Amino acid sequence: DVVMTQTPVSLPVSLGGQASISCRSSQSLVHSNGNTYLHWYLQKPGQSPQLLIYRVSNRFSGVPDRFSGSGSGTDFTLKISRVEPEDLGDYYCLQSTHFPWTFGGGTKLELK
Amino acid sequence: EIQLQESGPGLVKPSQSLSLTCSVTGYTITSGYDWSWIRKFPGNKMEWMGYISYSGSTNYNPSLKSRISITRDTSKNQFFLQLNSVTTEDTATYYCASGRSGFAYWGQGTLVTVSS
Repeated sequence: DVVMTQTPVSLPVSLGGQASISCRSSQSLVHSNGNTYLHWYLQKPGQSPQLLIYRVSNRFSGVPDRFSGSGSGTDFTLKISRVEPEDLGDYYCLQSTHFPWTFGGGTKLELK
Repeated sequence: EIQLQESGPGLVKPSQSLSLTCSVTGYTITSGYDWSWIRKFPGNKMEWMGYISYSGSTNYNPSLKSRISITRDTSKNQFFLQLNSVTTEDTATYYCASGRSGFAYWGQGTLVTVSS
């Protein structure tokens, strides 16, 4: 299985500040079709996960441009600029290039 | 708007089978997408369990070996999860989810506790 190593586990931030979350995979996530299936989710307390970024850098509908994704191969980053209270929660990366699809261990974004 | 909703027992005894239903509205499950089951364990680890595609083919996480089955009822626009021989390790919140690339659509989740 592809192991997704997500860091940090906990990320204290100040409102208005910037946050960066890393996700590294144990093998390249470039599919044979040339696409890279690495996605980012936010799960707020008491809610289901919500898709933020799909295929590395594409913001899902309605996601503010404060969220950006980047990376390639095995190394990916989610950046959140101008953190707002509604951004707090658990962030996960997911790879759906290789079966079985696997999640990172999660990062809790919390107030400093 | 595509909406998914899980339903099923919240308590299952060890060695028995866990059965959940995902009801889909706003989209016909035979029109497209893969329809997945995902679970989140206490402690926050998330696991993709498997999917049934719009054409009816299935793909399962090998970690679940022969315990898992995902089926569907196209007349009711529902798909189902059956997990056999459950243990306390299967206690988790179970989600159904789907989407074109990444899981754009999620149910609200249902907590299933395995306990005698």
